[in-house]
This record gives sequence, structure tokens and C-alpha cells, in this order.
Amino acid sequence: GAVVSQHPSWVICKSGTSVKIECRSLDFQATTMFWYRQFPKQSLMLMATSNEGSKATYEQGVEKDKFLINHASLTLSTLTVTSAHPEDSSFYICSARSGDRDYEQYFGPGTRLTVT
Amino acid sequence: RKEVEQDPGPFNVPEGATVAFNCTYSNSASQSFFWYRQDCRKEPKLLMSVYSSGNEDGRFTAQLNRASQYISLLIRDSKLSDSATYLCVVNAGNNRLAFGKGNQVVVIP
Repeated sequence: GAVVSQHPSWVICKSGTSVKIECRSLDFQATTMFWYRQFPKQSLMLMATSNEGSKATYEQGVEKDKFLINHASLTLSTLTVTSAHPEDSSFYICSARSGDRDYEQYFGPGTRLTVT
Repeated sequence: RKEVEQDPGPFNVPEGATVAFNCTYSNSASQSFFWYRQDCRKEPKLLMSVYSSGNEDGRFTAQLNRASQYISLLIRDSKLSDSATYLCVVNAGNNRLAFGKGNQVVVIP
């Protein structure tokens, strides 16, 4: 089956620093990748959608200059949280979809970010 | 109105019992529906897609009611390993999926 990896699985950083999270599709080519954020006891909230080779589409209320997304290849997307603050602490999950699947997305294991 | 609404519970279910819950969705044009399972501090995993005619996968049965815009999931003969949060997921258009908060199920020995 389709496997998506994320790295790192958890990270602790100081306020004001930047953190990069990688999302890789291991056994398929992901034409579209999605980045979600989940706060405790809340639903997954879509942050942005990225298609390989083009700019990401951000959801309303998500700052594109703060959450930088790069989808340079069909198997790799990165999310960089710039100038992180404690309120950015959350569970960040990526998912990937191959072009011919009907909205079925495969999720990475998530990255737990804690900003101190 | 939220795109997908679920009663978070928890739903405390005796082992071996049946539990059912619904979620409602707001976009009448939605065409794809899913149930995902999410364990604590883990990523969601696809449990089953939901088809118009309803579908069954072992002890799990999913139903779709387009007229009333709700989806249901029924779990028979609950196992301890069924304890998890079940996320209702709906195609929200523009390649987006909308997630509910989830129904938390706790199976009690």
C-alpha cells in the first residue's frame, strides 16, 4: 500500500527559530500533497494544498509567509514554520494523493512540534 | 455551519456490544465520503469509503443518507482494539477533504 513518511516525528524548538518538516511518499508519486494541523481534541484543519512544481494554495487564515511550503518533486514536500511561537505548537500531518485516486489520501505519521 | 459535524462523545461501549454514530455534512454537492480511524497521537488511517448503497467491511457498516446529509458508522461485536477516534471525512470540493472532530469510542472490558 501507499506509504508516506514524515521527518522529524517530534521536535522541540525555541521561540523565534524556524523548523522544517519533510513529507515523503515512499512508493508512489504524489501529484498533490496536503498539510494539516491538529490541536488537542480538535479536528484536522487543512493548512495548504501543494501540487508538484507550483505554488501552494493556502487556506483562509493561514499565513503563507509564516508557513513556507515547497513541493519540488513528486515524492517530497516540505513545510517550514518560520519564527515559531508557542501558539504554533501542534501536531502537523501531511498527506499525499496520487493523481488517479478519488480523493483518497495517505497520511504521514505526523510531526509533533513544541515551541518553548 | 461547520462543514462536518460529529458528536465527540466519548461513546463508552461494553466489549461485544454494538455502537453506532452519525455525522452530518453541510455541502450537498459532496460526492465522496470516508470514515478514518485515528488512535491517540497518531495519524488518521482510512477505515472505509462510504458508498451510496451502503457498504460493509467485516464488523463495520457504513451508510450514507444524501437527503438528510448524514453518514453513519456501525461497529458490531466491539473489540477492545476498536477503541479510537473515528473521523468522518467529506470531499469539500477543490480537492479538499473536510474532517469532523471525530467520535471517540472507548470499549470497556
